[in-house]
Amino acid sequence: QVQLQQSGPGLVKPSQTLSVICAISGDSVSTNLAAWNWIRQSPSRGLEWLGRTFYRSKWNNEYAESVKGRIAIDPDTSKNQFSLQLNSVTPEDTAVYYCARDYQQVFDSWGQGTLVTVSS
Amino acid sequence: DIVMTQSPDSLAVSLGERATINCKSSQSVLYSSNNKNYLAWYQQKPGQPPKLVIRWASTRESGVPDRFSGSGSGTDFTLTISSLQAEDVAVYYCQQYYSTPFTFGPGTKVDIK
Repeated sequence: QVQLQQSGPGLVKPSQTLSVICAISGDSVSTNLAAWNWIRQSPSRGLEWLGRTFYRSKWNNEYAESVKGRIAIDPDTSKNQFSLQLNSVTPEDTAVYYCARDYQQVFDSWGQGTLVTVSS
Repeated sequence: DIVMTQSPDSLAVSLGERATINCKSSQSVLYSSNNKNYLAWYQQKPGQPPKLVIRWASTRESGVPDRFSGSGSGTDFTLTISSLQAEDVAVYYCQQYYSTPFTFGPGTKVDIK
């Protein structure tokens, strides 16, 4: 049974970098059968897929256009986890951030969510 | 991007009655090579992450009660709860996984009348 445990600060100042980590148990970040995603949820934007990282002979990333240029999703094979970094945040980036595994492209395991507030 | 819409925004149903939620995609999510619809349904309760209920438009996840069923193809889909129970109160989202960016519907809130 896959479990995803999120950690990260809940408050970030405008223009700074949002960072959240997702620790994986019950699967490997290096598996070639799944991908590792970040999704956020806010009242104004609903559920919004941000991007994913996955290993298929080499590491790959896909990002949503809405955050491309500001986002990085990186695996950490030594700790079996992956991370989200979102740069130059504004109050519009305030949301609950979820990590999720996609197996056959459906999100079958989710982290508990991290409320990140962007405010000075 | 594929835009997902849902109707109604909310509904209230008596216990034991049927609840029906509709989802429409802006383009077909039916992949012709395998004849599969790349459409999933999720249930979200307050304070919890979404939970996968149905994949491939009509395949129930293990452990999901059989009162939940999905139907539809192409661009029009339906989630039906045949006999609403108190524990089914939640917001339900459809999601397409035909192409990135993966996109979700705005959600339908289901309550007890």
